[in-house]
Amino acid sequence: EDQVTQSPEALRLQEGESSSLNCSYTVSGLRGLFWYRQDPGKGPEFLFTLYSAGEEKEKERLKATLTKKESFLHITAPKPEDSATYLCAVSNRGSTLGRLYFGRGTQLTVWP
Amino acid sequence: GAGVSQSPSNKVTEKGKDVELRCDPISGHTALYWYRQSLGQGLEFLIYFQGNSAPDKSGLPSDRFSAERTGGSVSTLTIQRTQQEDSAVYLCASSFDYNSPLHFGNGTRLTVT
Repeated sequence: EDQVTQSPEALRLQEGESSSLNCSYTVSGLRGLFWYRQDPGKGPEFLFTLYSAGEEKEKERLKATLTKKESFLHITAPKPEDSATYLCAVSNRGSTLGRLYFGRGTQLTVWP
Repeated sequence: GAGVSQSPSNKVTEKGKDVELRCDPISGHTALYWYRQSLGQGLEFLIYFQGNSAPDKSGLPSDRFSAERTGGSVSTLTIQRTQQEDSAVYLCASSFDYNSPLHFGNGTRLTVT
């Protein structure tokens, strides 16, 4: 069964304090691993897609990495506006890319 | 440009009533998905459309749930004889094709009393 586990469930950081969020996955043939950001009352906002182990992608203060068993979302020098829930999801080779299995998310709070 | 639009944004209904939720995808996006987000749970896949056909309905939780898509654009998710456990945020997403990342709407929050 395809599964995604995210840790920690919640993370509080002071502005400028770098950290990483973890996403462990079990999938019968990875087609893609996705990171989304979700603000309260909003739908998830697409951040990154990673397709193979060793791949890395960056956007502003965020960097996503992928191994065969997990992905990390590194946040460098976060700002209060980075506060959100970060969702990880996987797609397997037997399905369309958008048929995703989501983790429960990491709720990030960055305080000034 | 315009994103995925869902209506209504909030819906309160009595147990046993039927509800219809609407999704307008991004113009030109051929693939459309419905997901459900329950309190404390991850997003749960419901159904996928490619054009007007639904090749994957495997996530629909019961036969009370159905969905259709017309003209390769607007989609409607219908829940018949609603139950309290149907209370959740229903999210619609679209993508350019079956091989592209999803873009989500802001969802419809359904409360069954």
